[in-house]
Amino acid sequence: DVKVTQSSRYLVKRTGEKVFLECVQDMDHENMFWYRQDPGLGLRLIYFSYDVKMKEKGDIPEGYSVSREKKERFSLILESASTNQTSMYLCASRSPGGTAHQPQHFGDGTRLSIL
Amino acid sequence: QKEVEQDPGPLSVPEGAIVSLNCTYSNSAFQYFMWYRQYSRKGPELLMYTYSSGNKEDGRFTAQVDKSSKYISLFIRDSQPSDSATYLCAIGSGGSNYKLTFGKGTLLTVNP
Repeated sequence: DVKVTQSSRYLVKRTGEKVFLECVQDMDHENMFWYRQDPGLGLRLIYFSYDVKMKEKGDIPEGYSVSREKKERFSLILESASTNQTSMYLCASRSPGGTAHQPQHFGDGTRLSIL
Repeated sequence: QKEVEQDPGPLSVPEGAIVSLNCTYSNSAFQYFMWYRQYSRKGPELLMYTYSSGNKEDGRFTAQVDKSSKYISLFIRDSQPSDSATYLCAIGSGGSNYKLTFGKGTLLTVNP
C-alpha cells in the first residue's frame, strides 16, 4: 500500500510567520502534489513536482513556495502566513505509469490555522 | 461551464439503501475517472478507477462511465453506516498532463 505521511495533523501559527508543511511518500513516486481543501471550494492545486528539483505552479500558487530536494519528500512553504491561508492542506503522490493516468494517493492532511 | 460538476448534497439514506452519486464533465479530452472517499478529518482514499465507458464493479460499489453524455456515476448497494463520508469524483486527461480535476464532493450519511 502507498503511504503518504504529512508531518503534522494540526498546526496553529501566527500571521507573518514562515510555515513549513512536510510530506513524505514511501513508494518512490516521481510526482507529488500539494492541495488545499476549503468548504464549498473543493480541492485546489497549489503546486506540483514531477521530479526531484522540478516544480510547476498549480491553480493557486500565490503566497506559497515548494521544495523537492529528495524524491520522497515534498515541502510546502508559506512565506508569510496570512489568515486566508487557514485551511486543510493535502499532499498526494503518484507514479507517472506510462500512458495510463495513474491515480493520486493522499495523506491525511494538515489542518492549519493562522491566527 | 465548470469542468466538473458534482451535487454537494448532503444526501441522507437509510441503511441498506442503494445510493447513486453523480458527476458531469465538459471536456471530452477527459479519459480517466476516479472516485475517492473521504472520511471526516482524513485524506481522500481511492475507491474506484476506470478509463473506459461502461461499468466496473468492486464488491458493493459500481462505477459507471458514459463518455457520450459526459456523465459518471458511483452506485453503492446495501449501504452501511460505515459508508458515511464525502465522495469526490476526479477526472484526468492522461498522457503528460498530471492534473486531476476534482468535483467538490457529495456528503453522504447512511442512517442505521
